Amino acid sequence: DARVTQTPRHKVTEMGQEVTMRCQPILGHNTVFWYRQTMMQGLELLAYFRNRAPLDDSGMPKDRFSAEMPDATLATLKIQPSEPRDSAVYFCASGRPTSGVNEQYFGPGTRLTVT
Amino acid sequence: AQKVTQAQTEISVVEKEDVTLDCVYETRDTTYYLFWYKQPPSGELVFLIRRNSFDEQNEISGRYSWNFQKSTSSFNFTITASQVVDSAVYFCALSEAPPGGYQKVTFGTGTKLQVIP
Repeated sequence: DARVTQTPRHKVTEMGQEVTMRCQPILGHNTVFWYRQTMMQGLELLAYFRNRAPLDDSGMPKDRFSAEMPDATLATLKIQPSEPRDSAVYFCASGRPTSGVNEQYFGPGTRLTVT
Repeated sequence: AQKVTQAQTEISVVEKEDVTLDCVYETRDTTYYLFWYKQPPSGELVFLIRRNSFDEQNEISGRYSWNFQKSTSSFNFTITASQVVDSAVYFCALSEAPPGGYQKVTFGTGTKLQVIP
């Protein structure tokens, strides 16, 4: 049963520290999404990759957030420096367009707490 | 711009009752896709169903059924004979399908369903 994996599952850090979250998409999936979920904003799309190329990162604060896909099996989301308002659950999702649509499969999320 | 509205923030039902979760969407496109996801207390988002705008046939999968009505821009989700394991937050989502293939998915705010034993 193929699944998206994310590490770490939980992260507590102090304001100003760098945070790196990792995602391994399902083998064969060529699209990767990063979402942030908070009580106030719900699910927000941060970045979208297709075939490792970033297609949309308009939802991401550029000054402190960066997303990359060094290879087809790894996507990273980095926050530097982190701030308390970044506390949220960060989800990675992967998909493979079939019949012209992205069906997204989500990982378990990384719960980030910035103190 | 696309928008998804889930007006019901929280619903509580007693086990074995039927429950319908409402979803209303807005889009200018004639081709689009609708989804439902389940987020149990464990936190993971689980894909339930996808529907494209050209297929208004209702779908049933076990105790789950979905009613797609283009005339009212609604894609409602009914759970029959609810069970405690159905307790979760349910998200409706919409994806437009512009030429070139980039489809941003917009999620509703979710409906928290609590099934009481």
